Amino acid sequence: EDQVTQSPEALRLQEGESSSLNCSYTVSGLRGLFWYRQDPGKGPEFLFTLYSAGEEKEKERLKATLTKKESFLHITAPKPEDSATYLCAVQDMDSNYQLIWGAGTKLIIKP
Amino acid sequence: DSGVTQTPKHLITATGQRVTLRCSPRSGDLSVYWYQQSLDQGLQFLIQYYNGEERAKGNILERFSAQQFPDLHSELNLSSLELGDSALYFCASTGGISGNTIYFGEGSWLTVV
Repeated sequence: EDQVTQSPEALRLQEGESSSLNCSYTVSGLRGLFWYRQDPGKGPEFLFTLYSAGEEKEKERLKATLTKKESFLHITAPKPEDSATYLCAVQDMDSNYQLIWGAGTKLIIKP
Repeated sequence: DSGVTQTPKHLITATGQRVTLRCSPRSGDLSVYWYQQSLDQGLQFLIQYYNGEERAKGNILERFSAQQFPDLHSELNLSSLELGDSALYFCASTGGISGNTIYFGEGSWLTVV
């Protein structure tokens, strides 16, 4: 059964303190892995899509990486405005474009 | 701006009533998804349409229904509303120029009183 697990559930960091969020997944065949950012009361904002192991993508202070079993979202020198819930989702090759969602990591960056 | 438009943004209604939420997908996207998110909860997939036809069903209650019209906009109908239906309802779209990336609208806040 397809499954996505994100850890930690919550993470508090000081401004400038780099860290990583984890997304481990189990699918029969990966079509794509997606990272989203969600602010309270807002729709998830698309960040990255990763398709194959070894792939990396960057955007400002964020860098997403992918292996055959997990993905990491690395946050370098975060700022308070990076505070949000980060969601990971995967598409199985056989899923008809359905997304299997993780529960998210709530990131709080303290000034 | 994701390009997915949802109306209304906020809605307050009484128990037992019926409401309709509307979604316009990104230009060129053929597929529309509806999700429900209750306070501090994860995204719950409700239903997906592709080019006017139902493609997949999630945990959608029988009191809820949806459709996608020829111009590709979609409507989610919620009837016999209960207090527990209070939530954010998101529409998302994919296909066309989006490829397989799913883009979300800003959501419709429904409060049932």
